[in-house]
Amino acid sequence: NTKITQSPRYLILGRANKSLECEQHLGHNAMYWYKQSAEKPPELMFLYNLKQLIRNETVPSRFIPECPDSSKLLLHISAVDPEDSAVYFCASSHGRGDSDYTFGSGTRLLVI
Amino acid sequence: GDSVTQKQGQVTLSEDDFLFINCTYSTTTYPTLLWYVQYPGQGPQLLLKVTTANNKGISRGFEATYDKGTTSFHLQKASVQESDSAVYFCALVDYGGSGNKLIFGTGTLLSVKP
Repeated sequence: NTKITQSPRYLILGRANKSLECEQHLGHNAMYWYKQSAEKPPELMFLYNLKQLIRNETVPSRFIPECPDSSKLLLHISAVDPEDSAVYFCASSHGRGDSDYTFGSGTRLLVI
Repeated sequence: GDSVTQKQGQVTLSEDDFLFINCTYSTTTYPTLLWYVQYPGQGPQLLLKVTTANNKGISRGFEATYDKGTTSFHLQKASVQESDSAVYFCALVDYGGSGNKLIFGTGTLLSVKP
């Protein structure tokens, strides 16, 4: 999937700080971070529209999103917890009212 | 709050079998319902979408019909192929005031044997 690229693909952390990156090449205005824990469905963490954070689903404060421009999304993680082990998907849509999402391939985070 | 229920955690079929995956939903608004498919190592991909304006969606041989009376949105395919093996998520759009989010069901793992 080259429409949305995520890096890194795999991440193994102790209690360290790291950032996940996402870039979409679709010209979409809305971008999302979803978390998918093992054998569970994806759940929304954050929603940005036109670079503005407009939805925060009560995520622990160690997760800090950033949207430097309308095509890029970052997720900064500090002092990770074992419960943070999951796949983190970036997604985008035309606008915040759109339900047709394009998902990236995800970053698989393993906290050891 | 809004919710989606998929009772089948796993379905195992042989090629050319008929597929039926159950999905029911609960919402106080007019629903927009979707089916996403997730292949191993990939993000979910939109398979089909239905709103109250068009109560049936068809894509790649799959179809789903929205039934307001039974609040169901089951996924069907007449003849599955091995390449259809994946996890299928039923989803409902939560129209939050500031922006939409998708509420996913727990997913159904489809395994198709050759």
